[in-house]
Order: sequence, then structure tokens, then C-alpha cells
Amino acid sequence: DAGITQSPRHKVTETGTPVTLRCHQTENHRYMYWYRQDPGHGLRLIHYSYGVKDTDKGEVSDGYSVSRSKTEDFLLTLESATSSQTSVYFCAISASTGEGFYNEQFFGPGTRLTVL
Amino acid sequence: SQQGEEDPQALSIQEGENATMNCSYKTSINNLQWYRQNSGRGLVHLILIRSNEREKHSGRLRVTLDTSKKSSSLLITASRAADTASYFCATVNTGGFKTIFGAGTRLFVKA
Repeated sequence: DAGITQSPRHKVTETGTPVTLRCHQTENHRYMYWYRQDPGHGLRLIHYSYGVKDTDKGEVSDGYSVSRSKTEDFLLTLESATSSQTSVYFCAISASTGEGFYNEQFFGPGTRLTVL
Repeated sequence: SQQGEEDPQALSIQEGENATMNCSYKTSINNLQWYRQNSGRGLVHLILIRSNEREKHSGRLRVTLDTSKKSSSLLITASRAADTASYFCATVNTGGFKTIFGAGTRLFVKA
């Protein structure tokens, strides 16, 4: 696996509590992404980052916030967890060729989150 | 709505047969990528085809891209039981950073 770790790997929490997931990379890649994966939906982009302190929303960003204070860390926060946020969360990283073509993404092992 | 949609949703074949999966998308793309996911694991990149390319090979994988039809296909030749996994197509839109994934095709190769 590329140098990407996610923590925690598993978490069970209760509705209404805040939750923070961490993605850490050792590849020094510029772009980082958070996805959620649910049966029948494939992967859906929550937020992404194109540099330190540069982030933007994906297609399912409501209820989530992100921060990137260092190149290597990208944090995803569920401000007040709901049962609909029970999912498997994947972090990914990628590097650009600089020619306008974007390279492949490398994925972390995932975090399984259950909100009761 | 999702950009890439795979077809079929599930495919079951015998070892040694070829497996073909298709992907359709809706808007102009920068490139299209195929990924594989084994159960309980993260996605692994297989192959990338750029919008100005029509066909690409990597080992037992062959990918085609038809931008006029907004479709792509992934062919796995001489399949093995170890190819059992879910396969996803993903598109990067022109000028965008974001990669949009389809819902995937579940491939089961029987030994």
C-alpha cells in the first residue's frame, strides 16, 4: 500500500456526538480526498483538498467538515453524527502530472463508522 | 447523480474465461480510470486512459474508450479465481480535481 494510514479503523459512536477521522500520508502528494462507500452507491466524494488549507466540497458534504493544516494530514469531522452517516470512509491521495492530466488515486485501508 | 455507471452490476464466470465490464458517463472527461476492490479493502488503481486515447493494455487488462459514445470497457482475459473483486470506473472531469466513481461491477470467478 502507498503510505496512507487512517485512524481509527473502526469506531462506534452515538447519534449527536462529534467524530473526527484522520488520514495521514507519507508520500507528500498535493491532493487528498475523503469518500464514503455505501452499498449500491459506490464511492461518493465528501470533501477534497488541493493544498494546505485549500479544501472544497464534494457531492455529499452536508454534515461534514475538513481541515488540512499540514501536507500529510487531512481530517474529516462529523460535527454531530447521525445514523445516516454510518458508512465506510476512505481517504485517498493523488499527484498531478502538471500537464492537466490527473494521476491515479491511492487509497487508505478505510474506517468503518457505526452511528447508533 | 453519479458520473460513471457500470454494467453489469454482477458477473459470474468460470476460471479461464474472459470478463467484460462496461462503463458509461455523462460529461466531458479528462481521463477515465479503472479500480479494483477486494472485500474489506481499499481501492487499487488498475489502469488510466486519457481522453485522447482509444485503447490501452496492461498485462491481462484491456481498456477501450469511446468518447463519442461516452463509454469505456474493461476486458480481463483468462480470468483467475484471484480476480474475484469489485471493479469501479472513475472519471475525472475536464478542468476538475474531482474523480467520480460508479457503483461498481462485482466479478466472481469460479475455480
